[in-house]
Amino acid sequence: EPEVTQTPSHQVTQMGQEVILRCVPISNHLYFYWYRQILGQKVEFLVSFYNNEISEKSEIFDDQFSVERPDGSNFTLKIRSTKLEDSAMYFCATRGARLYGYTFGSGTRLTVV
Amino acid sequence: GIQVEQSPPDLILQEGANSTLRCNFSDSVNNLQWFHQNPWGQLINLFYIPSGTKQNGRLSATTVATERYSLLYISSSQTTDSGVYFCAVGETSGSRLTFGEGTQLTVNP
Repeated sequence: EPEVTQTPSHQVTQMGQEVILRCVPISNHLYFYWYRQILGQKVEFLVSFYNNEISEKSEIFDDQFSVERPDGSNFTLKIRSTKLEDSAMYFCATRGARLYGYTFGSGTRLTVV
Repeated sequence: GIQVEQSPPDLILQEGANSTLRCNFSDSVNNLQWFHQNPWGQLINLFYIPSGTKQNGRLSATTVATERYSLLYISSSQTTDSGVYFCAVGETSGSRLTFGEGTQLTVNP
């Protein structure tokens, strides 16, 4: 079964540093998403990306966050200046068409110290 | 936005028991998925079920879209079924998934 691959699986960073989380979507999928889950809480939507632009974003997705698909294969989430409250599991998800199910990656656990 | 409520929040079973998890949602949806989050934090897709009934081994799910609820059935539970079960829905007007708070399932040997 096709997989969504996320790297790194764990990252520890100092407050104020920039981090880039990477995702390799399933090859024929068109819709890309980032979600996050703070420890012990539910999964929250951050942003959706289609046709090389952001199609929807949540109130969490402020100016500190950005997404891009730089080379047509990887899909990245950048956090410019990390805060302690950015510590969470970040999930990439993709789907092939609007009425299909989502496939989630295995996540990147980000710890900001 | 759409509200998603899952019940019960916690469930403790003995191995071999059956269980039913419920997901209620507040508006029309074009997507509903059930996920199992394992102890390593991975979200495993169980069912894509915006309507109807599906079965996969010991698991089955039913969504009654007109009444805005979905049920996940686990039969003959095993210790490896332990974890958090999330229901997530997609509204007809958007593309994001909204997750419920989850049901924490513990299956004891």
